[in-house]
Amino acid sequence: DGGITQSPKYLFRKEGQNVTLSCEQNLNHDAMYWYRQDPGQGLRLIYYSQIVNDFQKGDIAEGYSVSREKKESFPLTVTSAQKNPTAFYLCASSMPGQGATDTQYFGPGTRLTVL
Amino acid sequence: AQSVTQLDSHVSVSEGTPVLLRCNYSSSYSPSLFWYVQHPNKGLQLLLKYTSAATLVKGINGFEAEFKKSETSFHLTKPSAHMSDAAEYFCVVSLLGGKLIFGQGTELSVKP
Repeated sequence: DGGITQSPKYLFRKEGQNVTLSCEQNLNHDAMYWYRQDPGQGLRLIYYSQIVNDFQKGDIAEGYSVSREKKESFPLTVTSAQKNPTAFYLCASSMPGQGATDTQYFGPGTRLTVL
Repeated sequence: AQSVTQLDSHVSVSEGTPVLLRCNYSSSYSPSLFWYVQHPNKGLQLLLKYTSAATLVKGINGFEAEFKKSETSFHLTKPSAHMSDAAEYFCVVSLLGGKLIFGQGTELSVKP
């Protein structure tokens, strides 16, 4: 089956700890994205990557880091510098080159709770 | 600047009655627009997208949306609601380069 997988589904972290969220896709998409979703709000872009070994900050990158060593993988690290990390995190991918019609496909999400 | 506004944070309908979820957008060029649906604790699923080919767009599960440039609207409709339609719905506008701007979401409740 083709798609996007995120793991784990639920994640608990103590304050002061870094944690890494996994995102893998087998759609052969070049671009990948990380979003954060808080209750009653739309999604906000954290980081995105248009190609392997390259990524750009989104609107709320502070306290987060990413890597893109492989086309199919785009892990997100939530660092201790992120002041309010409890949220639902969504990964997406798309195939750019279609201008503004790019469609993003989403994974099932990871719910991170800081204890 | 591009933006999207969903006019209702919550809509409640009875099963079998029509659904209308309202979305207005602001864009300096002809935009691409999407509707996504999200069930609780799940990812987003694409319902439909408008890419200037036709103003009336048909999507999955009986949903459709009409692009009205004069009203800068892209409202989502369905003739007859089903219990399984209860979810949160997001109207989204695409920027050049592929970045997305999300509306705040509309929660749809369906009463039996």
